[in-house]
Amino acid sequence: QKEVEQDPGPLSVPEGAIVSLNCTYSNSAFQYFMWYRQYSRKGPELLMYTYSSGNKEDGRFTAQVDKSSKYISLFIRDSQPSDSATYLCAMSASSGGYNKLIFGAGTRLAVHP
Amino acid sequence: GEEVAQTPKHLVRGEGQKAKLYCAPIKGHSYVFWYQQVLKNEFKFLISFQNENVFDETGMPKERFSAKCLPNSPCSLEIQATKLEDSAVYFCASSPPAQLAIYEQYFGPGTRLTVT
Repeated sequence: QKEVEQDPGPLSVPEGAIVSLNCTYSNSAFQYFMWYRQYSRKGPELLMYTYSSGNKEDGRFTAQVDKSSKYISLFIRDSQPSDSATYLCAMSASSGGYNKLIFGAGTRLAVHP
Repeated sequence: GEEVAQTPKHLVRGEGQKAKLYCAPIKGHSYVFWYQQVLKNEFKFLISFQNENVFDETGMPKERFSAKCLPNSPCSLEIQATKLEDSAVYFCASSPPAQLAIYEQYFGPGTRLTVT
């Protein structure tokens, strides 16, 4: 079993829709949770991050963590065609910059006009 | 520099040939990571360095893969005797020497290796 499970999609939605992206994980030591966005043929870029459980909002994006269920989510409101990308969840057990990230498989999102 | 630089962008090798990839981390960053992204976006950690020292090599296939980060030189990832299954995009990332730097792992644009 993989440490982090993420539905690879693809997910296709109309412009303006609310998008929900999810990951589940098995390692209860994970405390630091990140969402990366990766455009085609580019490196991943950090989109959102949260520590432990709770919600975090940034503009049209909301990240949620439910540690009791080992489940994290990213919501995108009023989705735009420019949001079309692959979204990767990533996790770590500790905060130091020396820690490797454990990634999900990534979900491909297509937002059509 | 302010970005992680990777060269070449694309590398084509025949099966059994050697491949060497390079990474220049962001100036001031102490940690360098190599990740392999194969089909279906599976990201796999390979190895990390703290300056020129190997920090974590738990993801490295020991037989054919090697990596170095030498002072005043780009870091390198070398694959001896490439196999078809090594076809992937190899990403380098770097992060600063801070306790809360888990959110500051910046990725380069990747090197796409195609083994034919």
